[in-house]
Amino acid sequence: ETGVTQTPRHLVMGMTNKKSLKCEQHLGHNAMYWYKQSAKKPLELMFVYNFKEQTENNSVPSRFSPECPNSSHLFLHLHTLQPEDSALYLCASSQAEGLSNQPQHFGDGTRLSIL
Amino acid sequence: DQQVKQNSPSLSVQEGRISILNCDYTNSMFDYFLWYKKYPAEGPTFLISISSIKDKNEDGRFTVFLNKSAKHLSLHIVPSQPGDSAVYFCAASVGSNYKLTFGKGTLLTVNP
Repeated sequence: ETGVTQTPRHLVMGMTNKKSLKCEQHLGHNAMYWYKQSAKKPLELMFVYNFKEQTENNSVPSRFSPECPNSSHLFLHLHTLQPEDSALYLCASSQAEGLSNQPQHFGDGTRLSIL
Repeated sequence: DQQVKQNSPSLSVQEGRISILNCDYTNSMFDYFLWYKKYPAEGPTFLISISSIKDKNEDGRFTVFLNKSAKHLSLHIVPSQPGDSAVYFCAASVGSNYKLTFGKGTLLTVNP
């Protein structure tokens, strides 16, 4: 496989469930990102990991818990979500943070619906 | 407060004509700008970028123009093709590209 792969593509869960979103990149990148895209809103950066270390948390509620075990994998653990958390969650990767002119490459996203 | 604005939610053009997508920004610290294209059920795909030291960057049918004094950039697609029909996002960053601020996107429809 090449590029950035996200699983699952669709997820429906209740507010009391615990689930995880997975992202894997095969591009040899060292930085990985989680974005949220809600209806009629721009993409919002949630978290940034650079060489497995979290370098950005954009005031994301603690019911979203990221994990980056290595530079190729990124998870987003979900717990006690709210209906307003229903959105498209996009993962991206790039060369290490701080290198200019290196665009981020996106996965196809996980469409999350909270019942 | 939105720092990157794409004021046209949609644009429709005829095949073969020029498509011009616009983007305005408010943060004068932004110095790197990108355009992404997104098809339904797919993630955004990088198209073209420009750094603030330039005012134009060209890649095939795609040209991005940057007007720093007006805090405005535009993406020109010539000639437009039906396969260009997608949502186009403008994004900007300060310094490196790790923290991108996106606009809401413009839906481009190219009619055969």
